[in-house]
Amino acid sequence: GAGVSQSPSNKVTEKGKDVELRCDPISGHTALYWYRQSLGQGLEFLIYFQGNSAPDKSGLPSDRFSAERTGGSVSTLTIQRTQQEDSAVYLCASSLLNPPDTQYFGPGTRLTVL
Amino acid sequence: TQLLEQSPQFLSIQEGENLTVYCNSSSVFSSLQWYRQEPGEGPVLLVTVVTGGEVKKLKRLTFQFGDARKDSSLHITAAQPGDTGLYLCAGTASGGGADGLTFGKGTHLIIQP
Repeated sequence: GAGVSQSPSNKVTEKGKDVELRCDPISGHTALYWYRQSLGQGLEFLIYFQGNSAPDKSGLPSDRFSAERTGGSVSTLTIQRTQQEDSAVYLCASSLLNPPDTQYFGPGTRLTVL
Repeated sequence: TQLLEQSPQFLSIQEGENLTVYCNSSSVFSSLQWYRQEPGEGPVLLVTVVTGGEVKKLKRLTFQFGDARKDSSLHITAAQPGDTGLYLCAGTASGGGADGLTFGKGTHLIIQP
């Protein structure tokens, strides 16, 4: 079966523009996670969905970041008014069951803000 | 905040040598995972350790979870160029919870032929 897919694979945008990143989890997986990977900083947990709801949004770096998940499947991470420090690889993962079940990662979206 | 410190950050060795990568924390984790990540790809799970003192082997890779469940190590025997990659440890908070994994910053491993 297909793994986690993310689109676009690369996104270059200008400072101040909004971007939307998409994640398609493995079919049937209950939980979905977003992480950010910056050079020298490792992976930073952003948000997790249990079904369509996010129990804890405190990991989002600022109020410019938002995420939603519809139909218990696809999720989008939106960054408004992008800043240069938002440049990173954004990784999505899904797990069959809720945490702490094994997470399977997508290839990521590399975001570059000029 | 639970932190995982990985060492070394960078390691370059010759094919055939042995190496150990460490993952340490002052916090207790209910489980620790080791991932390997290659450029342009997401992390791929290698192993999960859940019991203090547990040792797991995956071919030439040996993973150990500390007795107190605060640290872990990854030992590679007779390293091969195909072992090159970023090795990440990640922990699940003790007591469960709804958070994602806490990751270390990773060890960049290069095995030279």
